[in-house]
Amino acid sequence: EAGVAQSPRYKIIEKRQSVAFWCNPISGHATLYWYQQILGQGPKLLIQFQNNGVVDDSQLPKDRFSAERLKGVDSTLKIQPAKLEDSAVYLCASSSIKGQGVAKNIQYFGAGTRLSVL
Amino acid sequence: ELKVEQNPLFLSMQEGKNYTIYCNYSTTSDRLYWYRQDPGKSLESLFVLLSNGAVKQEGRLMASLDTKARLSTLHITAAVHDLSATYFCAVVRMEYGNKLVFGAGTILRVKS
Repeated sequence: EAGVAQSPRYKIIEKRQSVAFWCNPISGHATLYWYQQILGQGPKLLIQFQNNGVVDDSQLPKDRFSAERLKGVDSTLKIQPAKLEDSAVYLCASSSIKGQGVAKNIQYFGAGTRLSVL
Repeated sequence: ELKVEQNPLFLSMQEGKNYTIYCNYSTTSDRLYWYRQDPGKSLESLFVLLSNGAVKQEGRLMASLDTKARLSTLHITAAVHDLSATYFCAVVRMEYGNKLVFGAGTILRVKS
């Protein structure tokens, strides 16, 4: 079974530029998450989708960050304009709402996109 | 607000030694996860703990959960170099959706 795919793996931009990240979840997973992981910290949820609807975006800085999940499969996360403090690894994860017991709702993570804002 | 604290944040240990990583959380939770992250790689799920007194073991790692104390431990037995990684605990309250709240992580370095 293919895992969560993310691209690009690395991105370097200057502040005030825009950037976009792409995520393809595990096939059949209805729920998709974007996390921000700043160096030395644990990941923090930015936005959660179920199919193509937003479940939680309470920690998404909406003045500069946007995300969409058209057709309930792939997702893109955009930052415009970027700030220095946006330098982080952006992780995408997906989980299934099917199944029983502990297998249900386990989040599987992609390798992440490392963003450096100069 | 659900908060998670791990300690220690950095652990350097010799091969063959035992040690424990602690994870405290601030309010009741429905699930607790332990993840492993190697440099430049994604997070790998190690254990899912659901109920008080739950204990799970995989190789040299054993995780336990005490929901009354809001404490989970990850015990390392006879460490080997391959266990070097960053370990995260994360908790979920289903009333908040399936949102994971992570600790800061414990960087483990096993010296041979």
